[in-house]
Amino acid sequence: KQEVTQIPAALSVPEGENLVLNCSFTDSAIYNLQWFRQDPGKGLTSLLLIQSSQREQTSGRLNASLDKSSGRSTLYIAASQPGDSATYLCAVRPFGSGGSYIPTFGRGTSLIVHP
Amino acid sequence: NAGVTQTPKFQVLKTGQSMTLQCAQDMNHNSMYWYRQDPGMGLRLIYYSASEGTTDKGEVPNGYNVSRLNKREFSLRLESAAPSQTSVYFCASIPGSMKETQYFGPGTRLLVL
Repeated sequence: KQEVTQIPAALSVPEGENLVLNCSFTDSAIYNLQWFRQDPGKGLTSLLLIQSSQREQTSGRLNASLDKSSGRSTLYIAASQPGDSATYLCAVRPFGSGGSYIPTFGRGTSLIVHP
Repeated sequence: NAGVTQTPKFQVLKTGQSMTLQCAQDMNHNSMYWYRQDPGMGLRLIYYSASEGTTDKGEVPNGYNVSRLNKREFSLRLESAAPSQTSVYFCASIPGSMKETQYFGPGTRLLVL
């Protein structure tokens, strides 16, 4: 059974720092990996989706990398801002789910960026 | 284009009461999902519907039933609510391609007393 772990569980940093959030998974046979953002009391918003054949994806100040062989992904946030404060979750879609998309989620990293 | 909508936003039930959580998407997506999110447990899949007319159990289906009413709507029913079902419930959808992203609704907060 696929297991997804996110480290650290919580992070508090001053504004302007560059950050790395980690996501590891136990089964490297995956279709893709996705990073989400969740604001308090809200649903999840997709940030980046990396296909299994890709090594990284970038969107603005966000960069996500994928190393399937080691079962790891990192989300890099450049020049962090207070508006980046949220919980960040990663989700892995494994092979073997047939035509169905059944992702496994990590428990998230709660990020606070203080001014 | 409202995306994924959920009703109600918040509900309080007494043990043994029943209720239905509603979800609708206006993006013509094929697949829809119900998750629950609990502190320290992350997101867990309750049921999903890969396409109109089909439903399948997820990780934690006990105590729940679902109906894929049409392509737009996917409802979750609690027949006899229990305190252990106190949670935040999220509905999500995906176009149907294996490579595409998942879209989430804003959630329903349920408290069972």
